[in-house]
Amino acid sequence: EVQLVESGGGLVQPGGSLRLSCVASGFSFSIYGMHWVRQAPGEGLEWVSSITESGVTTYYADSVKGRLTTSRDNSQNTLHLQMNSLRAGDTAIYYCAKSHYCGGGYCSVFDFWGQGTLVTVSS
Amino acid sequence: EIVLTQSPTTLSLSPGVRATLSCRASQSVGSYLAWYQQKPGQAPRLLVYDASNRATGIPARFSGSGSGTDFTLTISSLEPEDFAVYYCQQRSEWPLTFGGGTKVEIK
Repeated sequence: EVQLVESGGGLVQPGGSLRLSCVASGFSFSIYGMHWVRQAPGEGLEWVSSITESGVTTYYADSVKGRLTTSRDNSQNTLHLQMNSLRAGDTAIYYCAKSHYCGGGYCSVFDFWGQGTLVTVSS
Repeated sequence: EIVLTQSPTTLSLSPGVRATLSCRASQSVGSYLAWYQQKPGQAPRLLVYDASNRATGIPARFSGSGSGTDFTLTISSLEPEDFAVYYCQQRSEWPLTFGGGTKVEIK
């Protein structure tokens, strides 16, 4: 059974930092691209970042570029999101999600999601 | 970036009827469009990918269609568990983007 378990959320002051983690199980983590998607309270979904299976290539939304960094440790089946210079607008539930196999290969469609971890940026 | 516009924002329907949800892209995304369902307090669930392919375990009453800029998610006969918010998402180019969502509520 595929499981994704996020941790590391909490309350942080504006300008502060947090490091989120997502531990994966039930699938071959090292062959799948992984993603972070967030959802502000009462709002819709916003893609944040993606990372290829090897970790060599990363992609970011403009709203987080230069402040958030995605990485992965395939030996530990773990995805990370380092969050620096946090702003009130970063307040959201952060979900990690796994890439789907779309026939031609693994693709940026999210077929399994964690339960999310809440990040609140407030003074 | 590609903007996805979903309509209507809210759909008020009775169980047993057909639901038709729309997603329009600001430029062509080919067939690279997915649909998700989200219930309160839960993570989203993948329903359809690449416009018309149902994900594993998704009931046949859910179907997707369209290509280019206009896409539709159809629920042929609403079950009580289908009342939720639905999002479309494109993977045609970076940045990945989602639509604003359609809430399907009980009439």
